[in-house]
Amino acid sequence: SQQGEEDPQALSIQEGENATMNCSYKTSINNLQWYRQNSGRGLVHLILIRSNEREKHSGRLRVTLDTSKKSSSLLITASRAADTASYFCAAWGTNDYKLSFGAGTTVTVRA
Amino acid sequence: DARVTQTPRDKVTEMGQEVTMRCQPILGHNTVFWYRQTMMQGLELLAYFRNRAPLDDSGMPKDRFSAEMPDATLATLKIQPSEPRDSAVYFCASAADSGANVLTFGAGSRLTVL
Repeated sequence: SQQGEEDPQALSIQEGENATMNCSYKTSINNLQWYRQNSGRGLVHLILIRSNEREKHSGRLRVTLDTSKKSSSLLITASRAADTASYFCAAWGTNDYKLSFGAGTTVTVRA
Repeated sequence: DARVTQTPRDKVTEMGQEVTMRCQPILGHNTVFWYRQTMMQGLELLAYFRNRAPLDDSGMPKDRFSAEMPDATLATLKIQPSEPRDSAVYFCASAADSGANVLTFGAGSRLTVL
């Protein structure tokens, strides 16, 4: 079963706006990761946040983690047309050795 | 750039035929994953290996799917016999056992079973 669930399923924004997507997971985690998938391509790792971290930044990306609520959010600031893609959260469970993915959020950035 | 290589990129076959997908993980990565992606089910973990040993293949239909790692540079996923419901994109990913557990994905093998 999928560990992470994303919200919203789809998001359409204007270039320059911020995009925020949320992820909830079910069990205790070692870390939570975000990946991007462009149409017809494989997934590309964006950022990893460990269970003892609350916030992390990488360029225009900001990730938060709330382990008490079992939730994470990904913020993309100053979006560009090239950010159009599907974004997936993935949870690495504490008691297993695998990464379980959510259903993804499809982001469309309009020029 | 180190990359995960998957073959074939696209495969169209008829129901009942055997399909073999291959994956070359990044050199030095000792954990290999097979995922299947469909519109309906999203990304499903089929199997994963650590140091070539299968750790979990509970996501695979056992009667028709098999996954192996004959050596550290090759992982295979076989479907026999294939069915139309197996149509999907199959991804291989590898990770170094460094504790960071970041996965590097291949480009995927798109399978269409007619």
